[in-house]
Amino acid sequence: EVQLVESGGGLVQPGGSLRLSCAASGFTFSSYCMTWVRQAPGKGLEWVANIKQDGSEKYYVDSVKGRFTISRDNAKNSLYLHMNSLRAEDTAVYYCARKYRYYDLLTGYYRSVDAFDIWGQGTMVTVSS
Amino acid sequence: QSALTQPASVSGSPGQSITISCTGTSSDVGGYNYVSWYQQHPGKAPKLMIYDVSKRPSGVSNRFSGSKSGNTASLTISGLQAEDEADYYCCSYAGSSTLVFGTGTKVTVL
Repeated sequence: EVQLVESGGGLVQPGGSLRLSCAASGFTFSSYCMTWVRQAPGKGLEWVANIKQDGSEKYYVDSVKGRFTISRDNAKNSLYLHMNSLRAEDTAVYYCARKYRYYDLLTGYYRSVDAFDIWGQGTMVTVSS
Repeated sequence: QSALTQPASVSGSPGQSITISCTGTSSDVGGYNYVSWYQQHPGKAPKLMIYDVSKRPSGVSNRFSGSKSGNTASLTISGLQAEDEADYYCCSYAGSSTLVFGTGTKVTVL
């Protein structure tokens, strides 16, 4: 079964740090771009960060640049989000998700698209004193 | 990176069709054909319904369709069913390998 399972959430004080993990199974993790998306309580979805298959390229939403770092370990089928200088506004459920790709019969190649087809169940991060 | 604008709520009776709009700018929705739509039931993870404006992943009902005109994308649900009651979010590529989600729309089946 294709699955993503997040862990590492919890209560942290403002200014503190936390590392989220996402364990992938049921697919070739190293072949997919991965992402983190968050959702504040009662609010909408917010894209946080992307990472390429080999970890060579990483992209972030402006509000977390310089504070959050996305990384991956393909040998461990794992995705991470290192969060520093946490603020109250970072309080949210954090989801890891797989970037959708499909086999293009016309070209004979896999095509990766800007959409996410597999999501974890989420892990809650609460930033409060 | 401002959120795309969606109506807060849309409702319809079973069997009817409803359309959810998603308005952005020429830097996101209007500039690329990379709009996706997600369905989220309470307490659950989002589910991909539409990608590349109008394409459906395998397993998604053909009652869901997407389109785009200028800076506005739309999701249409035809033959509305009780299980369609959920929150829906659009998402667009916004350049420089970044993405932006919409504000979300609560769909109510009357």
